Amino acid sequence: KAGVTQTPRYLIKTRGQQVTLSCSPISGHRSVSWYQQTPGQGLQFLFEYFSETQRNKGNFPGRFSGRQFSNSRSEMNVSTLELGDSALYLCASSMAQGGYGYTFGSGTRLTVV
Amino acid sequence: AQTVTQSQPEMSVQEAETVTLSCTYDTSESDYYLFWYKQPPSRQMILVIRQEAYKQQNATENRFSVNFQKAAKSFSLKISDSQLGDAAMYFCAYRSQTGTASKLTFGTGTRLQVTL
Repeated sequence: KAGVTQTPRYLIKTRGQQVTLSCSPISGHRSVSWYQQTPGQGLQFLFEYFSETQRNKGNFPGRFSGRQFSNSRSEMNVSTLELGDSALYLCASSMAQGGYGYTFGSGTRLTVV
Repeated sequence: AQTVTQSQPEMSVQEAETVTLSCTYDTSESDYYLFWYKQPPSRQMILVIRQEAYKQQNATENRFSVNFQKAAKSFSLKISDSQLGDAAMYFCAYRSQTGTASKLTFGTGTRLQVTL
């Protein structure tokens, strides 16, 4: 059974650009959550999608957005990148919204220069 | 809002010994889940153990067990017979059971070193 797949694993972008990260959940999992991990702020919740609808959103500016497709794959987009957006972005999937068990991917390391 | 506190930034244990990682949390809710996740250098967060707040019995998974003290809002992780592969960052996390609040709130983590 394949795990949660995040692509790409590494990404370098320039300030002001935009970026799209992808997350493919475990087959059968319908909920996808995104987290940002930085040395200064730790792990922070970005948003959760279930059945193509955003169900929960963390305290991030509108430059951070996401979507979920009918096959449960999810993308998150960050527009007008800032240096402070450099982070490890982790995706987690579960069978149901707010599921009892979350399975995480290995993350995308985004560096903004 | 819920908060999770891990007061030990780093811990060290000798192989085959036992170590306990501390976690406290603050919440006004009575129904919730608590988790311990492990993050090795590979970056993937791996679920170690979980506990439902309504269960009085402490969860156990092989060499990993928790000491859940609901009144004290404490949730410590005990690793027995430590192995080199246990070296990683360990995060304590809280999830509400109220409504649709399904996000995980993490502590700042404890880096565990395992020495020979």
